[in-house]
Amino acid sequence: QSALTQPRSVSGSPGQSVTISCTGTSSDVGAYNYVSWYQQHPGKAPKLVIYDVIKRPSGVPDRFSGSKSGNTASLTISGLQAEDEAEYSCCSYAASYTLVFGGGTRLTVL
Amino acid sequence: QVQLVESGGGLVKPGGSLRLSCAASGFTFSDYYMSWIRQAPGKGLEWVSYVSTSSDYTNYADSVKGRFTISRDNAKNSLYLQMNSLRAEDTAVYYCATGGYDFVYWGQGTLVTVSS
Repeated sequence: QSALTQPRSVSGSPGQSVTISCTGTSSDVGAYNYVSWYQQHPGKAPKLVIYDVIKRPSGVPDRFSGSKSGNTASLTISGLQAEDEAEYSCCSYAASYTLVFGGGTRLTVL
Repeated sequence: QVQLVESGGGLVKPGGSLRLSCAASGFTFSDYYMSWIRQAPGKGLEWVSYVSTSSDYTNYADSVKGRFTISRDNAKNSLYLQMNSLRAEDTAVYYCATGGYDFVYWGQGTLVTVSS
């Protein structure tokens, strides 16, 4: 159950797009279409923004989108806004019916 | 509205035990898998355990297997985590969340500190 690999930080200016990667293995990200993404503001509980690789829960802006290629999943946020500044974490279903999270990526809106 | 409220956290010595609870409301608790997820101070999220709707299936992260036990009481709309043989590395905020592989609703968390 090794953690998925995410960049420690990314940044972008308001209105720009940023993409956060989440790299796993053929036993987790590459094996299942059960990748989810969570947004977490400091001191708050995480919030689901993407599930099943590409699906958005109701209420999440369509500026948030997900994708996957091989063992790497990605979260893209377009039209960056100040309130998007937060920590983003990916999660994947994995072998033996377990779950594994990434280490988290700090998004800074410049 | 959906509410998940964790309780039972606190300071415990290494080797000690603690039982966390999560009170659910605003949704049909018995329809949902439930999970515990933790976050050590300044660290990322870590999945701990999940339990199926009728408690038929449970699973645990390797880091807690054999020490932690997840359970639920659908009549009381409650989720539990019995934590034994606690270690310093178990220090974290523990969240309960709905779901077994994606987590839609989360509680605000309860802090568990393992220290002598």
